[in-house]
Amino acid sequence: DTAVSQTPKYLVTQMGNDKSIKCEQNLGHDTMYWYKQDSKKFLKIMFSYNNKELIINETVPNRFSPKSPDKAHLNLHINSLELGDSAVYFCASSRIDPGFRDGYTFGSGTRLTVV
Amino acid sequence: AQSVTQLGSHVSVSEGALVLLRCNYSSSVPPYLFWYVQYPNQGLQLLLKYTSAATLVKGINGFEAEFKKSETSFHLTKPSAHMSDAAEYFCAVSAGSTNAGKSTFGDGTTLTVKP
Repeated sequence: DTAVSQTPKYLVTQMGNDKSIKCEQNLGHDTMYWYKQDSKKFLKIMFSYNNKELIINETVPNRFSPKSPDKAHLNLHINSLELGDSAVYFCASSRIDPGFRDGYTFGSGTRLTVV
Repeated sequence: AQSVTQLGSHVSVSEGALVLLRCNYSSSVPPYLFWYVQYPNQGLQLLLKYTSAATLVKGINGFEAEFKKSETSFHLTKPSAHMSDAAEYFCAVSAGSTNAGKSTFGDGTTLTVKP
């Protein structure tokens, strides 16, 4: 019944590895997002997809590549992980209509630790 | 351009006391404003939203907020704090469809409730 689900919940990996985080929503929303929350709890948008089309691409290293196979799924692949990538990554979704007024529904987050 | 400033990174109140969390925003277009709550090790949950209808909006868990255009503020209040209100609170601003639903978050306010 989970509306926005992310896997895995925890991810511990070594520097230089490549890893993926998956997100799925069953709300029928059109738009999905990736946000990064750092150790000070600051939230910053990374990417947004609308019905499989990339519409927001903030200043994020090229090592981060989102992929949306369909409008219910948004994955995040990270190459050559660095210590500074350690953070909590949140997936979120929203409806386009009416004008994104409903706000976001968030997943429970993926805590990535790079050692 | 849009931004949010949350005044006070930490707020401490006694159980039963008034809760007041401050948020000021900046937006080049009429904004949508949101308050989210984040409990430890969880994702963010929408508390309430302002979307240009009534300026006083009520949300879940007894919280409410008032949109004041002249003061560019959207402060969150609750008449009587409960221990379960202890959490991180985020104010967010969005320009709706104008910027593809992108929400910009404040730095967060940690609410502590003392018995």
